[in-house]
Amino acid sequence: NAGVTQTPKFRILKIGQSMTLQCTQDMNHNYMYWYRQDPGMGLKLIYYSVGAGITDKGEVPNGYNVSRSTTEDFPLRLELAAPSQTSVYFCASAYENTEAFFGQGTRLTVV
Amino acid sequence: EDQVTQSPEALRLQEGESSSLNCSYTVSGLRGLFWYRQDPGKGPEFLFTLYSAGEEKEKERLKATLTKKESFLHITAPKPEDSATYLCAVQAHTGGFKTIFGAGTRLFVKA
Repeated sequence: NAGVTQTPKFRILKIGQSMTLQCTQDMNHNYMYWYRQDPGMGLKLIYYSVGAGITDKGEVPNGYNVSRSTTEDFPLRLELAAPSQTSVYFCASAYENTEAFFGQGTRLTVV
Repeated sequence: EDQVTQSPEALRLQEGESSSLNCSYTVSGLRGLFWYRQDPGKGPEFLFTLYSAGEEKEKERLKATLTKKESFLHITAPKPEDSATYLCAVQAHTGGFKTIFGAGTRLFVKA
């Protein structure tokens, strides 16, 4: 049972480039989330989804987009990367609105 | 405004030296309070969920308690392998789906 899998683990982007962070889960959870974690700060919710075809903005959605075409996958798209998007990104899933299971994270640096 | 504050930011203990971590929260209608453990370079790992004041949960050397304003994570006779960052998060009944994370307490246990 793999749980929540994120790829890539590390990435360096140049300002203005775009990329997609991949996230897949095999627990048949309906809820999925994307968070970012900056040093000394709590996890901030970027986007979330309560089921396939349904997404909604979290606390810090600007500069990001998501889609949820299947229960398993919840990719996060960064358009026109900026230095302020340098962070560690975590994908998580949960059954209903209960405790979340997190992936290993993607460390992104924008230079 | 909903808020979660964890203290101290960092805690250094000797092996066997018991202590407590604090999570103070302000939320409009608490649905649940979560404790997670996060090891360096990894995603948070779920420990406990508490739902109502007076509730307690235990797991090995950890015990979580909840009041109407704060939660404590008590660590009894810690071992070096307990070294990690401990995150507290609260979920509200109102305002749609919303989980707010604290910045965490970094625990160091020396042998």
